[in-house]
Amino acid sequence: EVQLVESGGGLVQPGGSLRLSCAASGFTFSNYDMHWVRQAPGKGLEWVSAVGTTGDPYYPDSVKGRFTISRENAKDSFYLQMNSLTAGDTAVYYCARALHGVIPAALFDFWGQGTLVTVSS
Amino acid sequence: DIVMTQSPDSLAVSLGERATINCKSSQSVLYRSNNKNYVAWYQHKPGQPPKLLIYWASTRESGVPDRFSASGSGTDFTLTISNLQAEDVAVYYCQQYYSTPNTFGQGTRLEIK
Repeated sequence: EVQLVESGGGLVQPGGSLRLSCAASGFTFSNYDMHWVRQAPGKGLEWVSAVGTTGDPYYPDSVKGRFTISRENAKDSFYLQMNSLTAGDTAVYYCARALHGVIPAALFDFWGQGTLVTVSS
Repeated sequence: DIVMTQSPDSLAVSLGERATINCKSSQSVLYRSNNKNYVAWYQHKPGQPPKLLIYWASTRESGVPDRFSASGSGTDFTLTISNLQAEDVAVYYCQQYYSTPNTFGQGTRLEIK
């Protein structure tokens, strides 16, 4: 059974940093591109970043330069380092497995339960 | 960026009836080389992660009831839920994966009338 489990969310002050983790199981992790997608309170879904099978990172302009995605295939895990956080980054962050598409464009066939990141003083 | 616009923002449908959700992309998401439309649909219930329903604009994901169907090409797409059940109450999103950044529609909230 495919499982994705996020961790690392919490409350952080504006300008602070946080590192999210996503542990994968139930599939050959190294064969898949992986993504982070977020949902701000009362808002829709927003793609945040992607990491290719060989570690190539991709970001939308909204987080480029502040967020860093990485992966450790030996640990079946990938990460999102978030710096210079603002209130606008407050959201539930989901990790997701990519299916089809050409990275970073992809659709997502499995999602984690999400981890809440709250940026507030 | 490709903008995905859904309509309506919300709708209420009676049990057993049909619900129709539309999604329009700001540019074509049809890849001519393989004749595939790079559109997916998701169902999102409170407290749960989004669930993939449809990809390639009309292909049902494994395990999705055949009450869910989708169609469209180019810039206009439709998700149809037939014989609406109580468990179908959710927010539905379309998404394009034709080009980066991946973009989603704003969501359509489906309720029971």
